[in-house]
Amino acid sequence: EAGVAQSPRYKIIEKRQSVAFWCNPISGHATLYWYQQILGQGPKLLIQFQNNGVVDDSQLPKDRFSAERLKGVDSTLKIQPAKLEDSAVYLCASSLERTGGSGEQFFGPGTRLTVL
Amino acid sequence: SQKIEQNSEALNIQEGKTATLTCNYTNYSPAYLQWYRQDPGRGPVFLLLIRENEKEKRKERLKVTFDTTLKQSLFHITASQPADSATYLCALDVNQGGKLIFGQGTELSVKP
Repeated sequence: EAGVAQSPRYKIIEKRQSVAFWCNPISGHATLYWYQQILGQGPKLLIQFQNNGVVDDSQLPKDRFSAERLKGVDSTLKIQPAKLEDSAVYLCASSLERTGGSGEQFFGPGTRLTVL
Repeated sequence: SQKIEQNSEALNIQEGKTATLTCNYTNYSPAYLQWYRQDPGRGPVFLLLIRENEKEKRKERLKVTFDTTLKQSLFHITASQPADSATYLCALDVNQGGKLIFGQGTELSVKP
């Protein structure tokens, strides 16, 4: 089966600019996650969707970050305006669970964002 | 405060030996704990999941233990190979709903 797809793979922008990342999860996976991974750290959950509803966005900086998952499939994550500290890898993951419960998460390759 | 800590220093071992990685946590009561492998420039890959009522789980050369009293998980790779070199991440499922809190990872290097 095809894995989680993300684009772009790399993005360089200047601070105060905006940027958007796209994710296509594994077909049939109900739950989609966006993580931020700063160099040398583990991934940090930004937002979790189940189908097209938000389950958890407690760690999403809502003054500058937004995310949507239209039709319960693809998702986009946007940053506007970007700050230097947003430089990180943004990972998208999906899992099969429809009713909660811990399960294997499948990660995409990530988008490496550099803010200058 | 809530914390997850893994071996902060990189682990260097000789091929054929057993690698043991540690994951300690405080102020969490996870029902599940997962281990992932991450190679440079790639997303994490799931390895094993262990439930709070399981003491040990095995998969081929991998073994995970979960001690909820000590608040610790140990991850073992037996008969290690250079191809096992990677960063290993532990993750706690803190709400039984898939929300994972990751440790910072331990870099493992297996020398031939």
